[in-house]
Amino acid sequence: QKEVEQNSGPLSVPEGAIASLNCTYSDRGSQSFFWYRQYSGKSPELIMSIYSNGDKEDGRFTAQLNKASQYVSLLIRDSQPSDSATYLCAVRGTDKLIFGTGTRLQVFP
Amino acid sequence: GAVVSQHPSRVICKSGTSVKIECRSLDFQATTMFWYRQFPKQSLMLMATSNEGSKATYEQGVEKDKFLINHASLTLSTLTVTSAHPEDSSFYICSARSLNRTGGYTFGSGTRLTVV
Repeated sequence: QKEVEQNSGPLSVPEGAIASLNCTYSDRGSQSFFWYRQYSGKSPELIMSIYSNGDKEDGRFTAQLNKASQYVSLLIRDSQPSDSATYLCAVRGTDKLIFGTGTRLQVFP
Repeated sequence: GAVVSQHPSRVICKSGTSVKIECRSLDFQATTMFWYRQFPKQSLMLMATSNEGSKATYEQGVEKDKFLINHASLTLSTLTVTSAHPEDSSFYICSARSLNRTGGYTFGSGTRLTVV
């Protein structure tokens, strides 16, 4: 079992819709969770971090964490074509970040 | 905000030569640096973790004699790919973390290495 799992996609949504990205992790003791966005050929950029169960909102982005289910998700409201990218879920294990394989999101006009 | 400067952004080298990649934390002290490698359409794979002044800890399957990591100061870490081969062609990314900063990790802009 991979430590951090994501559906590779692509996930295609129309402009203005809600995009829902999901991630599961295997280490029940994990405490820190991150969502990164990566454009092709570029380095990842941090979108959200979440540490407690529940929802955390930042603009159009909402991260959701459920430690009992070992599940973390990212919702993107009012999706824009510029949101088209690969979204990487990362879980902090001891001192290092473990990344999922990423979900490719395509937002079409 | 925290900035990590990574150079070069692109490098092409001949097979058998060595390439050095630098990562500098510009406005904070990076107590820990992480080096990742990313092949096309794949995720970031951690290669090694280095703490300032000590030897790097390599992930399983990563050859420490091939990928030399030096973290001699709190603001500079280098990765040297020795005797590069075409299969080493990849996107190399560093990430820095400081004990004085909460939250996440700051990534460099990445280095696209092509070995011909």
